[in-house]
Amino acid sequence: ETGVTQTPRHLVMGMTNKKSLKCEQHLGHNAMYWYKQSAKKPLELMFVYNFKEQTENNSVPSRFSPECPNSSHLFLHLHTLQPEDSALYLCASSQDGAGGPWNEQFFGPGTRLTVL
Amino acid sequence: DAKTTQPTSMDCAEGRAANLPCNHSTISGNEYVYWYRQIHSQGPQYIIHGLKNNETNEMASLIITEDRKSSTLILPHATLRDTAVYYCIVEYNNDMRFGAGTRLTVKP
Repeated sequence: ETGVTQTPRHLVMGMTNKKSLKCEQHLGHNAMYWYKQSAKKPLELMFVYNFKEQTENNSVPSRFSPECPNSSHLFLHLHTLQPEDSALYLCASSQDGAGGPWNEQFFGPGTRLTVL
Repeated sequence: DAKTTQPTSMDCAEGRAANLPCNHSTISGNEYVYWYRQIHSQGPQYIIHGLKNNETNEMASLIITEDRKSSTLILPHATLRDTAVYYCIVEYNNDMRFGAGTRLTVKP
């Protein structure tokens, strides 16, 4: 247990569906992250939130929409996805988003997403 | 692109030390070296990090060369549960770039 939970653990959706991924951290951290891990590819950073403010968006398509209502919760809203969006989506948190010696990130177990 | 180079895979005998190398020849003075590992189908797990000095914790030791252009992660007594992909990352200002990592297989 890392203190970061993600729901659902598995999700199958059609290209016309709208769904949301949820991440919750119980560590008192102020920074939260979404990563995408496709088959046989390195982890890709998608979004960074620091103190509830989005500080990074790595050219992610608009069909992925993040939401951070507070420092403990992070959502990823999905709509009109493509089959190539099938991947493991990982959430992480860290003490803050300043980087350097305090950037130890704690990862959740991930949501395995399949887009049909 | 990741700023590190690691071997694609390595094997290690159970109970022996596993030494995982990483090259980061373009590292800048403010960048930290972080190591994570990912066991199959799980999220990555933090192992250790350092700036200049060697570091040790309950999981591993990190040896950083004096010029900081390379480092080695040492698992002193590898177990079968240490089989995973190990990622070496250089990071500053929250720019964490994961590469392909080293797939370590610990064999009985």
